[in-house]
Amino acid sequence: DIEMTQSPSSLSTSVGDRVTITCQASQDINNHLNWYQQKPGKAPKLLIYDVSNLETGVPARFSGSGSGTDFTFTISSLQPEDLATYYCQHYDNLPYTFGQGTKLEIK
Amino acid sequence: QVQLQESGPRLVKPSETLSLTCSISGGSISNYWWAWIRQAPGKGLEWIGSIYHSGNTNYNPSLKSRLTISLDMSRNQFSLKLSSVTAADTAIYYCARQFFGTLFDYWGQGTLVTVSS
Repeated sequence: DIEMTQSPSSLSTSVGDRVTITCQASQDINNHLNWYQQKPGKAPKLLIYDVSNLETGVPARFSGSGSGTDFTFTISSLQPEDLATYYCQHYDNLPYTFGQGTKLEIK
Repeated sequence: QVQLQESGPRLVKPSETLSLTCSISGGSISNYWWAWIRQAPGKGLEWIGSIYHSGNTNYNPSLKSRLTISLDMSRNQFSLKLSSVTAADTAIYYCARQFFGTLFDYWGQGTLVTVSS
């Protein structure tokens, strides 16, 4: 199985901050990477697919980049509604696996 | 707008079979993969398995020996059966649409299934 390692596991930030989360795959995943947002008590929501493509309706403050084994998710200016846990997910082969999640807390 | 809704028993006894159904509305089961994903309390997401409208399935090897995913095109539903459950199978179970084996773009609200005697 491909292991997806996210960093940090949690982050305390302030409104307006730039937030960066990293996701490292245990092997090259050929840019087959997606990002999800999960708010408390809710199902995950797709934000970014194929490394850097924004899902329809997702605000432009969210972005993704990277290649090979190293990927980055960025929120350019954190908003209060961004309080959530964020997960990366690969689909390069089976089984599909997710990172362990990064929980954002607003100061 | 595609909507998914999980249904089934919320409490299952150890060693018995967990059974859930996902009902799809606002879209057809055809031409997509459909998935089950679970999340143990306070933990991360685990892909369980997926089924294509043709009936082809992909299962997580860690669960494959206990897992059956099936679909009912006439009812626009797909189902999960996980046998010989233990407390480790206690989780929120989500159904989701999987776009051609890549991303999960529509999700159900999730249902908490507890394994306990």
